[in-house]
Amino acid sequence: GQNIDQPTEMTATEGAIVQINCTYQTSGFNGLFWYQQHAGEAPTFLSYNVLDGLEEKGRFSSFLSRSKGYSYLLLKELQMKDSASYLCAALDSNYQLIWGAGTKLIIKP
Amino acid sequence: NAGVTQTPKFQVLKTGQSMTLQCAQDMNHNSMYWYRQDPGMGLRLIYYSASEGTTDKGEVPDGYNVSRLKKQNFLLGLESAAPSQTSVYFCASSHADLGGTEAFFGQGTRLTVV
Repeated sequence: GQNIDQPTEMTATEGAIVQINCTYQTSGFNGLFWYQQHAGEAPTFLSYNVLDGLEEKGRFSSFLSRSKGYSYLLLKELQMKDSASYLCAALDSNYQLIWGAGTKLIIKP
Repeated sequence: NAGVTQTPKFQVLKTGQSMTLQCAQDMNHNSMYWYRQDPGMGLRLIYYSASEGTTDKGEVPDGYNVSRLKKQNFLLGLESAAPSQTSVYFCASSHADLGGTEAFFGQGTRLTVV
């Protein structure tokens, strides 16, 4: 079957760096998305990786290893507003998104 | 810019009642989607539409129906509501199929079936 695994919850300190991991098993693979979802709000797009390597976008970076079925989202210089759930989703061979359950990130002062 | 608009934002139904969730997008996107989000689970696709007039089943279509009569609108119907359909429902749209294009989500409809 198809599966996305990511930690349920993580805690980090304001100003620090945190890495949220995601492993995936899908029927075919056409890329991996990261979304941010604040409590009670809609998911919003953060990044898309289809090739191996690191994509940097401001304080956020996303990494992909297709051979390992692995991705991570790196958040630097954490701010209180980064407290949210981070959703990992893989695009399978039918271009359907398979979603992880999300990682709730708690930022402490 | 409105983006994706869902109505209603909150709804309480009695078991057996029917209702329609409405979704409208103003970005001229071809593809639209209905998801449900339950605690501890990932977003699950109910139905999607790759273009006006076409719809396809997703992972959890039972108990739902959809219509895409106009490009900008995608309606989700609950035929006979059940407590298991208590969830948060998100509509989303994207330019084409999701090959590298981001999806834009509505603000969600929080549905409770009692």
